[in-house]
Amino acid sequence: KAGVTQTPRYLIKTRGQQVTLSCSPISGHRSVSWYQQTPGQGLQFLFEYFSETQRNKGNFPGRFSGRQFSNSRSEMNVSTLELGDSALYLCASSLAGEWNEQYFGPGTRLTVT
Amino acid sequence: KNQVEQSPQSLIILEGKNCTLQCNYTVSPFSNLRWYKQDTGRGPVSLTIMTFSENTKSNGRYTATLDADTKQSSLHITASQLSDSASYICVVSALGRSGGGADGLTFGKGTHLIIQP
Repeated sequence: KAGVTQTPRYLIKTRGQQVTLSCSPISGHRSVSWYQQTPGQGLQFLFEYFSETQRNKGNFPGRFSGRQFSNSRSEMNVSTLELGDSALYLCASSLAGEWNEQYFGPGTRLTVT
Repeated sequence: KNQVEQSPQSLIILEGKNCTLQCNYTVSPFSNLRWYKQDTGRGPVSLTIMTFSENTKSNGRYTATLDADTKQSSLHITASQLSDSASYICVVSALGRSGGGADGLTFGKGTHLIIQP
């Protein structure tokens, strides 16, 4: 069974631009969670989607948004990029949102210049 | 406020030696604790998960301990190998919470382990 895939793996953007990241969960998994990882803050929860609905949300500004499609694939969007948004963005999937059964993707490394 | 503190921040040891990583938490009410290994440029991979009633759990050369009274956990790596070089992240879940919400999962910032030949 294929694992969680994320595209693109690397991305360079300039301040003020917007970016869309994609995550394809493990087949059969309906929950997708997104995390931001930086050296200073570690892993921070962004939001979780289940059956196309946002079920949980972390403490991030409204510039961070996401959505989930009927095939469980998910996208994350960041508008008006700031230098501080440079990070590794990870998504994790699970069957129904059980946090202890999450499988992480390899991440998308976003660099904002 | 729920918090997870890991120590040391970074550690360098020689191949073949043992080491112990620490995780202290203030998450309440406690549900369970998981240790992840994250290789550079990769997503975290689960090593062990421990519930309130478990004191010790092993996964090959990795042994995790949990003291729910003192709210401390440790991850012991035996006979380290070069492939053990990675970040090790402690994650604690609060009871009754699901998903990854702000009050569901609390992440430590990790210990960066380097194994030298």
